[in-house]
Amino acid sequence: DVQLLESGGELVQPGGSLRLSCAASGFTFSNYAMNWVRQAPGKGLEWLSGLSDSGDDTKYAASVKGRFTISRDNSKDTLYLHLNSLRPEDTAVYYCVQDEQLVLWGQGTLVSVSS
Amino acid sequence: QSVLTQSPSVSGTPGQRVTISCSGSTSNIGSNVVNWFQQFPGTAPKLLIYYNDRRPSGVPDRFSGSKSGTSASLAISGLQSEDEAHYYCASWNDSGWVFGGGTKVTVL
Repeated sequence: DVQLLESGGELVQPGGSLRLSCAASGFTFSNYAMNWVRQAPGKGLEWLSGLSDSGDDTKYAASVKGRFTISRDNSKDTLYLHLNSLRPEDTAVYYCVQDEQLVLWGQGTLVSVSS
Repeated sequence: QSVLTQSPSVSGTPGQRVTISCSGSTSNIGSNVVNWFQQFPGTAPKLLIYYNDRRPSGVPDRFSGSKSGTSASLAISGLQSEDEAHYYCASWNDSGWVFGGGTKVTVL
């Protein structure tokens, strides 16, 4: 089965850091660009970042540029998102999404930022 | 405030045809493709339409997409109870994807 499985979400204090992981299976991970998209509770979708298949080209939304870093390890079929300087408004479910056209979505991992 | 504008809700009776609109600008919809996503409560979004009007394998043909200028539309023909969900449009905008605020489809 083609699958994306996120992990790493937890409760963190404002100003804290976190690393999210997304384990891919069922497809050739290194052939696909990947993305992170989040959804705050009761709100819509927000694209955060994208990364080329090789990892050479990265893109970020203005809201997270300089605070979040996307990376990948093609030898481990895993995508990462490093979150720094977290704010309460970063509280959301974070989804890992395959392909430039946002084809396949993981089930999401919840990040809560609160003191 | 979402970059793309969608009406918050639309409703219809079973068998009816409903349309969801998505309005953008020349920076996004006007110069890039539009994708549509379906999301049920508590679950991840699912790609419904890509490249404006193409359906991924497994998506019923009662779902159709179109684009004209800086606007796009998703039509659901023969509305069914299982179509009750949130629907989001998305398009590329300079250096990233932008989404609409979502439309809740209610089957009466």
